[in-house]
Amino acid sequence: DQQVKQNSPSLSVQEGRISILNCDYTNSMFDYFLWYKKYPAEGPTFLISISSIKDKNEDGRFTVFLNKSAKHLSLHIVPSQPGDSAVYFCAASAWGDKLIFGTGTRLQVFP
Amino acid sequence: DGGITQSPKYLFRKEGQNVTLSCEQNLNHDAMYWYRQDPGQGLRLIYYSQIVNDFQKGDIAEGYSVSREKKESFPLTVTSAQKNPTAFYLCASRGDRQETQYFGPGTRLLVL
Repeated sequence: DQQVKQNSPSLSVQEGRISILNCDYTNSMFDYFLWYKKYPAEGPTFLISISSIKDKNEDGRFTVFLNKSAKHLSLHIVPSQPGDSAVYFCAASAWGDKLIFGTGTRLQVFP
Repeated sequence: DGGITQSPKYLFRKEGQNVTLSCEQNLNHDAMYWYRQDPGQGLRLIYYSQIVNDFQKGDIAEGYSVSREKKESFPLTVTSAQKNPTAFYLCASRGDRQETQYFGPGTRLLVL
């Protein structure tokens, strides 16, 4: 049973517009959520995280929103840039335990 | 310059051969992790270690072995029992009282 799901395998957005990447989870014990960005043949790079006591966390162009009742989180990138083109993974953990990763969403930002 | 290093970047395995992937970190992190990534899939946990001389199986430990003799090092051995070893292998570490894991650059293992 997949506890963290990214149902959109790919997303294409024009440069300058908003990119919205979505993630759903099933385990109500998750209390910490993270987003990672990954280029091909490289390790994932940590982007932004959010604790379950918050519903929003912002860092520059990146904002993560958490809706606990819907068990849903999203990553907003505004404005999108060509360098944002990568695969984005969401991940979740419960009480500092191991991270559970989604399957990733490939974002392509075109001019 | 602190970080996580993995070597080699590419590794080739012959039939019936054991190979060892290196992971070193100088971040003074207690916890270290090994993941495997296959095309179109997320990262799956192979083994993890919360402290020196201790480690636990992850979700797909069969055919793999690890050791944690030093805080800085967490090598992964892919044994001949692993029938489908071709994948991208990622090592990560996490500091005490931190939630975020930081990843190395990865090793791609290919079978000849």
